Amino acid sequence: TQLLEQSPQFLSIQEGENLTVYCNSSSVFSSLQWYRQEPGEGPVLLVTVVTGGEVKKLKRLTFQFGDARKDSSLHITAAQPGDTGLYLCAGERGSRDDKIIFGKGTRLHILP
Amino acid sequence: NAGVTQTPKFRILKIGQSMTLQCTQDMNHNYMYWYRQDPGMGLKLIYYSVGAGITDKGEVPNGYNVSRSTTEDFPLRLELAAPSQTSVYFCASSLTGPNLNTGELFFGEGSRLTVL
Repeated sequence: TQLLEQSPQFLSIQEGENLTVYCNSSSVFSSLQWYRQEPGEGPVLLVTVVTGGEVKKLKRLTFQFGDARKDSSLHITAAQPGDTGLYLCAGERGSRDDKIIFGKGTRLHILP
Repeated sequence: NAGVTQTPKFRILKIGQSMTLQCTQDMNHNYMYWYRQDPGMGLKLIYYSVGAGITDKGEVPNGYNVSRSTTEDFPLRLELAAPSQTSVYFCASSLTGPNLNTGELFFGEGSRLTVL
């Protein structure tokens, strides 16, 4: 059972278009993080969201944590080729023995 | 500013061989992790450590062993390599453990292992 479901699995769009990718769960998470991974490298943190309904912006990227803290979305405005990569969401449920859980990721390809 | 360093970056093993993937961090983080990443499968936790001398199993520990004799180093040993262990392995460290609202995971660049 995948606790964090990411969709879509793959997305290929033209430069300049907008897009949204999702990270969903049936469980409540204490916090969620989004990482971006480029080929041949390890994931790098983009943002952490901790409060239900929270919205954070990072230049053209907008991250939202669902009100019930079970889901999150990443919206990219006017996508650029530099946005190409694997986007991973990670969460932790806040219990004492909990581990950080990763989704399978969304592979994004922005065509010039 | 090195961060998390993994060696080797690439390795080919024959079935039944053993090897150790090295991981060292210079950020004085107590928490360290080993993940494997298979195509389309995200990151799966193999082993983790909350400090020197303390290790514990993650989601997929079979076929692997770890040790944590120092804060800096967290090697991953593969015994009797099998084709199912072909993967990209990532070492990571964090200051605050599985408490994402106060910290982040810092990853190495990965070690690509092929078992033939």
